[in-house]
Amino acid sequence: SQQGEEDPQALSIQEGENATMNCSYKTSINNLQWYRQNSGRGLVHLILIRSNEREKHSGRLRVTLDTSKKSSSLLITASRAADTASYFCATDGNFGNEKLTFGTGTRLTIIP
Amino acid sequence: NAGVTQTPKFQVLKTGQSMTLQCAQDMNHNSMYWYRQDPGMGLRLIYYSASEGTTDKGEVPNGYNVSRLNKREFSLRLESAAPSQTSVYFCASSEGSWTEAFFGQGTRLTVV
Repeated sequence: SQQGEEDPQALSIQEGENATMNCSYKTSINNLQWYRQNSGRGLVHLILIRSNEREKHSGRLRVTLDTSKKSSSLLITASRAADTASYFCATDGNFGNEKLTFGTGTRLTIIP
Repeated sequence: NAGVTQTPKFQVLKTGQSMTLQCAQDMNHNSMYWYRQDPGMGLRLIYYSASEGTTDKGEVPNGYNVSRLNKREFSLRLESAAPSQTSVYFCASSEGSWTEAFFGQGTRLTVV
């Protein structure tokens, strides 16, 4: 089974609102990353947070990490139509073997 | 820079046929990955390679083989294609699992 599970599976919000999506994972990690995928395209890296960090910001993105709960959240503020995409979390699993596994994704739709 | 290049972009195979998906990166990355993406399943890791000359199984390796030909190239082979292997295949590369991964544009494979 997959390491990460995103929640919700799908989310629709009005343009300008904030979008929050969550990721839960199963095993200890060194790092957690978030990626975006526009329809039919390859994934694009958004942000990486290390296991000793609790929060990280990048532009309109805010990521939190709670290693005790094995969970992370991605907040997109002031959403735009261009944010419509699928979002995935990815973890390295702390195995020291370079494995990078992804969750099932959240499909975000921004309504203009 | 080309980044990660996958060929072909589209392919239709008959059940039992074989084919090789090619992937090349020009970023001098150590790690390379092959994923498949099916609706509602997110990305599932097939095989990965932490460095030239090494390969390891991911979550769904059955029915596939890989070759890390050199540092640039990582190919995925289907020896006897089955309809269950109909999917979109993505190749990715990174310095290691602690850094962002770069993705190719994907290969859409249909097995009939």
